[in-house]
Amino acid sequence: QVLLQQWGAGLLKASEALSLTCAVYGGSFSDYHWSWVRQPPGKGLEWLGEINHSGGTNYSPSLKSRVTIAIDTSKNQFSLGVTSVTAADTAVYYCARAVKGTVTTTTARSYSYYYMDVWGKGTMVAVSS
Amino acid sequence: SYELTQSPSVSVSPGQTASITCSGDKLGAKYVCWYQEKPGQSPLLVIYQDTKRPSEIPERFSGSNSGNTATLTISGTQAVDEAVYYCQAWDASTAVFGGGTKLTVL
Repeated sequence: QVLLQQWGAGLLKASEALSLTCAVYGGSFSDYHWSWVRQPPGKGLEWLGEINHSGGTNYSPSLKSRVTIAIDTSKNQFSLGVTSVTAADTAVYYCARAVKGTVTTTTARSYSYYYMDVWGKGTMVAVSS
Repeated sequence: SYELTQSPSVSVSPGQTASITCSGDKLGAKYVCWYQEKPGQSPLLVIYQDTKRPSEIPERFSGSNSGNTATLTISGTQAVDEAVYYCQAWDASTAVFGGGTKLTVL
């Protein structure tokens, strides 16, 4: 059974930096991608970005300038950093395990898939002005 | 940027079939997955790669994807299925979520 345990500061002031860490227990760490998703109060899910075990990253275009995702393979942990937070960054932040791959058909067309099959419990981060 | 559109709400009577749709440009050419979210809980993957179901998800959940629309179907809907459902696809190295559909079981 795979467990994602996340932690980090839950109350920030505007302009401060957000920092969260997610530890992975059980399962393979190198065979998956590791992602962060957030959900503002009363709103939908927003993907922030992902990292693989080699440190390769992809970020949401809307947040790319402020978000950094890093990985520590020696500890089976990955982290999220968001700089210069505002009230708009108030949300529940989730870490999740992502399965990513490509299917190639008999006609040589390729289709990519990406889904998040294990989630952490979430961390509420509130930003005050 | 790519967008996925979902209806805000769907209602269904217990035992009936619920259909939740997700639309996007040429969505049928992408793989879609679906998540269930209940209040106070983390999202739960219910369908991946359009039609596949994780082992712990009941058989009443099924998915399809063609053209510009992906559909999550819940057959014999139960009260426990009341939740918000999100579709998600992968486009240009980015995961994109739909806005979510609130399923109410009346």
